[in-house]
Amino acid sequence: DIQMTQSPSSLSASVGDRVTITCQTSQDISNHLNWHQHKPGQAPKLLIYDASNLETGVPSRFSGSGSGTHFTFTISSLQPEDFATYYCQRYDSVPYTFGQGTKLEIK
Amino acid sequence: QMQLQESGPGLVKPSETLSLTCSVSGGSITNFYWNWIRQPPGKGLEWIGYIYYNVATNYNPSLKGRVTMSVDTSKNQFSLRLSSVTTADTAVYYCARGDYFDPWGQGTLVTVSS
Repeated sequence: DIQMTQSPSSLSASVGDRVTITCQTSQDISNHLNWHQHKPGQAPKLLIYDASNLETGVPSRFSGSGSGTHFTFTISSLQPEDFATYYCQRYDSVPYTFGQGTKLEIK
Repeated sequence: QMQLQESGPGLVKPSETLSLTCSVSGGSITNFYWNWIRQPPGKGLEWIGYIYYNVATNYNPSLKGRVTMSVDTSKNQFSLRLSSVTTADTAVYYCARGDYFDPWGQGTLVTVSS
């Protein structure tokens, strides 16, 4: 199976900060990577699909980039509602897998 | 706007079969792949498998042949059955649509305990 490494596992930041999360895969997956936001007790939510495409309705402060084996997810200016856990997810081949998650906490 | 909702027993005994349903509203269940995902307490997300109509399925080999998925187009629902459960199958179970996993259901906690 293709291994995924997401980092960091946790991140403490302040409102207004710029934060970046990375996801690396053990094999080339082209751009077949999505980013999801998950808040406790809520349904996870797709933010970025195909590595860099912003899902409809998602604020433009969220962005993604990368292809092949290295991907980044950025929030340009943190808002209070952004504190959550973020996951990368690959779908190039089965079994689909997720990164380990990044818990974004308020500093 | 499409919405998904998982339902099923919250408690299952060891060695029995876990059965869950995902109800789709706001759109048709046809023409999409439908996924099941789970998250054990304190752990990461694990893809269980997907189904396309009742034509194609793909299951995670890690579940060693214990998984069966089906679609009921008349009810706009799809289902998961996981047999021979153990305490390791205790998790929040989610359903989600397509390769992009969009949207997701809110999840349902299933506890395996005697």
